[in-house]
Amino acid sequence: NAGVTQTPKFQVLKTGQSMTLQCAQDMNHNSMYWYRQDPGMGLRLIYYSASEGTTDKGEVPNGYNVSRLNKREFSLRLESAAPSQTSVYFCASSETLVADTQYFGPGTRLTVL
Amino acid sequence: RKEVEQDPGPFNVPEGATVAFNCTYSNSASQSFFWYRQDCRKEPKLLMSVYSSGNEDGRFTAQLNRASQYISLLIRDSKLSDSATYLCVVIGLGGNKLVFGAGTILRVKS
Repeated sequence: NAGVTQTPKFQVLKTGQSMTLQCAQDMNHNSMYWYRQDPGMGLRLIYYSASEGTTDKGEVPNGYNVSRLNKREFSLRLESAAPSQTSVYFCASSETLVADTQYFGPGTRLTVL
Repeated sequence: RKEVEQDPGPFNVPEGATVAFNCTYSNSASQSFFWYRQDCRKEPKLLMSVYSSGNEDGRFTAQLNRASQYISLLIRDSKLSDSATYLCVVIGLGGNKLVFGAGTILRVKS
């Protein structure tokens, strides 16, 4: 039982490049999330998917897009990376949207030069 | 005002000490409260849920004060391995997502 997996673990991009962060969970959870974590800022929600087929903006969605590919997978795309997007990105999943424990992946450390 | 506010610390305590953190929240309607633990450069993991009646798990006790809108975490007999950042989590205004506090850093020293 792998829980939540994320790829890649580390990435360096140049300004303007694009990339997709992949996330998958094997717990049959309905809800999935993408967060970014910056020093002193805590976790900030980028996008979330309450259930398969739905996605919604979180607190800081600008510059990102998401796809809920199926119940297991939720990807995050940066179309044109900017230095302000340098951060640690965490994917998480939970059985339901607010009442249940969120399980996190190990994170992706992204640096945009 | 932030939806969830925590003292960032760090709290530096000796092994065996008792330490307590508070967290204040804005959403008076929140029905879900959690404490997560995050080790350096790792993902957050659930430490414990916080129930209206309070709950205890070994050396850890969580309390909820709805009137003053804060939750607390008490750690007794601190261990070196308790050194981490503790994140307070509540349902945000709007009721459709959890909001994480920025965390309180705990350092337990021998």
